[in-house]
Amino acid sequence: EAGVAQSPRYKIIEKRQSVAFWCNPISGHATLYWYQQILGQGPKLLIQFQNNGVVDDSQLPKDRFSAERLKGVDSTLKIQPAKLEDSAVYLCASSFPDFTDTQYFGPGTRLTVL
Amino acid sequence: AQSVTQPDIHITVSEGASLELRCNYSYGATPYLFWYVQSPGQGLQLLLKYFSGDTLVQGIKGFEAEFKRSQSSFNLRKPSVHWSDAAEYFCAVAGRAGGGNKLTFGTGTQLKVEL
Repeated sequence: EAGVAQSPRYKIIEKRQSVAFWCNPISGHATLYWYQQILGQGPKLLIQFQNNGVVDDSQLPKDRFSAERLKGVDSTLKIQPAKLEDSAVYLCASSFPDFTDTQYFGPGTRLTVL
Repeated sequence: AQSVTQPDIHITVSEGASLELRCNYSYGATPYLFWYVQSPGQGLQLLLKYFSGDTLVQGIKGFEAEFKRSQSSFNLRKPSVHWSDAAEYFCAVAGRAGGGNKLTFGTGTQLKVEL
């Protein structure tokens, strides 16, 4: 069974530039999550989708971060413009919609903002 | 608001020794608790989870965890550590969301295994 796919794996940009990350969840998983993991910290949920609708985006910095899941499958997370403090690993996870279902994580995208 | 504390940032054990990683949670209702492991350059992998029932939960790779409501703890244990267990370990508590669950993670414990 294919896992959660993410690309790119690494990205280096200058501050104030834009960047986008892509995630393809496990087939059949209706729920998709984006997390930000800053070095030395645990992952923090940025946004959660149920199919193509947003369930929770309370911790998403909406002035610079945006995310979409137009067809209820793939998702993109965008940062525009990037700041130094956005340097982190961005993790995508997916699950079935039941509360007890396990979240499966992708390998992440490591972003460095210079 | 839910939260998780992992008091040990780093732990070093010898191969073959026993291991216990500590996790304390704060949650207003019945907690749903998880342990994930993250190896370098890898995503997080679920070791075990607790939703209800038996308070001693068995997971993959020989790990187990015990839920103690009176101590608000969910410590992870392994009787004999292997060198391949070296990784970072995260405890998490889940809150209900509109579909799926909302995980709040601790800051992690980095495990080093000495040969």
